[in-house]
Amino acid sequence: DSGVTQTPKHLITATGQRVTLRCSPRSGDLSVYWYQQSLDQGLQFLIQYYNGEERAKGNILERFSAQQFPDLHSELNLSSLELGDSALYFCASSHFTLSGGDTQYFGPGTRLTVL
Amino acid sequence: GENVEQHPSTLSVQEGDSAVIKCTYSDSASNYFPWYKQELGKGPQLIIDIRSNVGEKKDQRIAVTLNKTAKHFSLHITETQPEDSAVYFCAASPRGSGYSTLTFGKGTMLLVSP
Repeated sequence: DSGVTQTPKHLITATGQRVTLRCSPRSGDLSVYWYQQSLDQGLQFLIQYYNGEERAKGNILERFSAQQFPDLHSELNLSSLELGDSALYFCASSHFTLSGGDTQYFGPGTRLTVL
Repeated sequence: GENVEQHPSTLSVQEGDSAVIKCTYSDSASNYFPWYKQELGKGPQLIIDIRSNVGEKKDQRIAVTLNKTAKHFSLHITETQPEDSAVYFCAASPRGSGYSTLTFGKGTMLLVSP
């Protein structure tokens, strides 16, 4: 158990809909990362937050957005869902230092199925 | 941006054999190289990592080597056991300016047969 929690574990929805994925980082970790894992693209970095502020952006679609709240939990919002958005979504957390190269601990993931 | 290539995509070994997975990276600024193990239905679990100031690191049956000149790093698992069967991912991260995001390889499915 990494200490990172994600809810829900599974999510089934229809095209065009909007969903919210939730992540709670390990105790003491200030940084949260979101990744998407699909069979054809592998593990892709989406976005990073540090202490409530966006820190880095990866291959995140404009239909997707995220935020980190004062209690450090984070939510990933996916809207106007398409079949191709079906994937595993992972959250990771780290303590984060300015020198970089922090160890990231991953949660169990949310499996999103868009029908 | 960074690009990480991982080989092989699948690897089958007999219990007790050694397994080696290799990765290359493109960005010479990358300085942190973790390896993750992912079992079916679970999130990636960090098993070992190495930083650029070190050429080799060992943890029991697992070792990682890094060649910064050639820009490649490898995972070595000795005395493999059936419970080592999983998908293994290498990753690279540039260091400095607080940039900690990871670029992953495509993964290697390791199957250890009893």
